[in-house]
Amino acid sequence: DSGVTQTPKHLITATGQRVTLRCSPRSGDLSVYWYQQSLDQGLQFLIQYYNGEERAKGNILERFSAQQFPDLHSELNLSSLELGDSALYFCASSPSRNQPQHFGDGTRLSIL
Amino acid sequence: AQRVTQPEKLLSVFKGAPVELKCNYSYSGSPELFWYVQYSRQRLQLLLRHISRESIKGFTADLNKGETSFHLKKPFAQEEDSAMYYCALRDNTDKLIFGTGTRLQVFP
Repeated sequence: DSGVTQTPKHLITATGQRVTLRCSPRSGDLSVYWYQQSLDQGLQFLIQYYNGEERAKGNILERFSAQQFPDLHSELNLSSLELGDSALYFCASSPSRNQPQHFGDGTRLSIL
Repeated sequence: AQRVTQPEKLLSVFKGAPVELKCNYSYSGSPELFWYVQYSRQRLQLLLRHISRESIKGFTADLNKGETSFHLKKPFAQEEDSAMYYCALRDNTDKLIFGTGTRLQVFP
């Protein structure tokens, strides 16, 4: 158990819908990272937050947004879903820069 | 451009054989490299970090800046080592850049 909690584990929805994925970092970790793992794109960095502020952005679509709350949990919002958004979405956390990132179990999103 | 290359999609060995999973990187700064392991599309688990120079589950990896490589090695493979292995580089924005992964299959 990495200590990073992601909910839900599985999500099945339809095209055009909107979903919210939740991540609770390890106790004491201020940084949260979101990654997408798909069969065609592999593991791609989406976005990072540190203590409530956005720190870095990767190849994140405009339909996707995220935030980190005062209690340090983070949510990734995906809207106007398309078939190609089907993937495993991982959250990782670390105490600060230069510390290893520890990953949650992921949320498997299936778009029908 | 920052890039991590894992040239082998699949590596198959028999139990007890040596294993080397290749990883090459392209990065202009001073790299920080990691190996992560993923069993059956579960969560990524940190296996090794080049800074710590430790051995986990019998695996070691040495950073070779001249060859820009960070190959993962184990002298005697075990069946439970079968998994996906990802090499990753942390850039100066703190994000991880992953290779495409190598599936290791260890046959009995």
